[in-house]
Amino acid sequence: AQSVTQPDIHITVSEGASLELRCNYSYGATPYLFWYVQSPGQGLQLLLKYFSGDTLVQGIKGFEAEFKRSQSSFNLRKPSVHWSDAAEYFCAVIAGNMLTFGGGTRLMVKP
Amino acid sequence: NAGVTQTPKFQVLKTGQSMTLQCAQDMNHEYMSWYRQDPGMGLRLIHYSVGAGITDQGEVPNGYNVSRSTTEDFPLRLLSAAPSQTSVYFCASSYSRGSHGYTFGSGTRLTVV
Repeated sequence: AQSVTQPDIHITVSEGASLELRCNYSYGATPYLFWYVQSPGQGLQLLLKYFSGDTLVQGIKGFEAEFKRSQSSFNLRKPSVHWSDAAEYFCAVIAGNMLTFGGGTRLMVKP
Repeated sequence: NAGVTQTPKFQVLKTGQSMTLQCAQDMNHEYMSWYRQDPGMGLRLIHYSVGAGITDQGEVPNGYNVSRSTTEDFPLRLLSAAPSQTSVYFCASSYSRGSHGYTFGSGTRLTVV
């Protein structure tokens, strides 16, 4: 069965600093991979997705993610974090007909 | 174009009561899913549907029923509510297998006392 692991439950960064959120997946075939963001009390918004091709994908709000098959990873990055980026971030994989989520990483931004 | 609409937004139930969470989408999406979100556990798939008349179980289906009589609607039924079903429930829909990403509703916060 497929699974998604986000090793970091909480991360705190200073405003303007760079950010990397980790995601590891377990799936036998080439996965469809996603990053979603959830602001407090809100639903989930799609940041970016990877299906095939270029392993570095660009998303909304200045985020990017890199697919590394050898490491089974799909880490999310942003070069300079803004206070409005404080939220919970979820990595997800589609395997078969099911979208499976990791446990999430809560990002806090220090002024 | 309303996207994915969930009702109600909040609900309090007594143990043993039944209720239906409503989910409707107006994007003609084939795929629809129900998730529950609990602290530290991400979102866990309850049931999903790949089209009208077709449903299947996800990771945590026990205590929940679904049906898909139309493309637009995918209600989730709690048969006999238990405190362990206290959670935030999200409905999501997607065109095809989700290659364009899923669209999520704003959620239903359910408390079972």
